[in-house]
Amino acid sequence: AQSVTQLDSQVPVFEEAPVELRCNYSSSVSVYLFWYVQYPNQGLQLLLKYLSGSTLVKGINGFEAEFNKSQTSFHLRKPSVHISDTAEYFCAVSGNAGGTSYGKLTFGQGTILTVHP
Amino acid sequence: NAGVMQNPRHLVRRRGQEARLRCSPMKGHSHVYWYRQLPEEGLKFMVYLQKENIIDESGMPKERFSAEFPKEGPSILRIQQVVRGDSAAYFCASSSGQGDVDTQYFGPGTRLTVL
Repeated sequence: AQSVTQLDSQVPVFEEAPVELRCNYSSSVSVYLFWYVQYPNQGLQLLLKYLSGSTLVKGINGFEAEFNKSQTSFHLRKPSVHISDTAEYFCAVSGNAGGTSYGKLTFGQGTILTVHP
Repeated sequence: NAGVMQNPRHLVRRRGQEARLRCSPMKGHSHVYWYRQLPEEGLKFMVYLQKENIIDESGMPKERFSAEFPKEGPSILRIQQVVRGDSAAYFCASSSGQGDVDTQYFGPGTRLTVL
């Protein structure tokens, strides 16, 4: 079984400032890790994913995340945010058994990022 | 390339009625997942289906909820005798079922309101 904790429910930040959205997970098996973004009244869009290899993963819209196995974390970062980044961000994990992911995703509670001008 | 489609986008039902939510996966995808997002909560897995098979229904409520993914046509999530607590956004995702990591792509959701 897996669980995901997003440590901040809301993160306000000014435009062009850096931001970090925190995500910790627990799992009894190896995992694959994902970040999704949800704009108001829309579905989820995949930002980036960690499968294996380099622990620093780059995604769309200038976002990146770093997998830290010892700290069981997968924090999302962006060096300079824009107004258009205002949205809710979800961290998710899926189990990894023998190199193949399980079907279901386990999501965190979400972090609402609000970028102020 | 059309993405995952869900309809209706908004659905209003009175208590005791039935709700049917439809999901058409991305072209070439044969795996479908349903998630529910309750107010102020994250997404919770409900069920994972492949064509004509339920693979994992560990997140489905034991009563009133059912899902299918027939050989032809969309996947259907059916909620019988709806109650106010069923009000939520229901998201469908699809994947190809190929490769090492089966990335899921989400539809826009159906927002169910039970009066």
